[in-house]
Amino acid sequence: QVQLLESGGGVVRPGTSLRLSCAASGFTFSDYGVHWVRQAPGKGLQWVAVISHDGSNQYYADSVQGRFSISRDNSRNTLFLQINSLRAEDTAVYYCAKGLGSCGGSRCPLGDDWGQGTLVTVSS
Amino acid sequence: DIQMTQSPSSLSASVGDSVTITCQASQDISNSLNWYQQKPGKAPKLLIYDASNLNTGVPSRFSGSGYGTDFTFTISSLQPEDIATYYCLQHINLLLTFGGGTKVEMK
Repeated sequence: QVQLLESGGGVVRPGTSLRLSCAASGFTFSDYGVHWVRQAPGKGLQWVAVISHDGSNQYYADSVQGRFSISRDNSRNTLFLQINSLRAEDTAVYYCAKGLGSCGGSRCPLGDDWGQGTLVTVSS
Repeated sequence: DIQMTQSPSSLSASVGDSVTITCQASQDISNSLNWYQQKPGKAPKLLIYDASNLNTGVPSRFSGSGYGTDFTFTISSLQPEDIATYYCLQHINLLLTFGGGTKVEMK
């Protein structure tokens, strides 16, 4: 079955950078777009970014545009999220989630396949 | 970007009660709306996709309706295991937006 396993979270200082990873298995990774969604402690879900199946297209929420970079390595079935200039408000659990299609067109719905999340805490 | 206004932010109901949550989109999103359930410490679970379609394995007491800008999610007979936070999610384009969430508690 589909498995998504995030890693790379931890406690980091403001202004530093961090790269999160999401290892995928149980499906043909290169056929699907993949999303990052985050959730600050005690808060709601916030969509962060999506990347198309072949990595050619990336889209970001306005709040992270310019600081976050989503990428993927289809040879390693792995998704990444590079976060630069970390701020306290980036403190959250970060989930990767599989799209329902290639995400190479105009839509990329989220389905029911999510990882367990990795916690990023930004604190001095 | 499309904004999703979800209400109420919380509610308290008894076992067997009918529970209704609404989401309003800031612009027409057709039927491009999903409903998720999230329990503490867990990833969200998809209940309803494309506004009214029940995901596989989801109990029939859950339902969704709506089109355009106004959407409704209903639990017809609240069960103890339904205590959770519920979110709507629009996916009309590549910039997705969640509603603010509704925390459902037992009275």
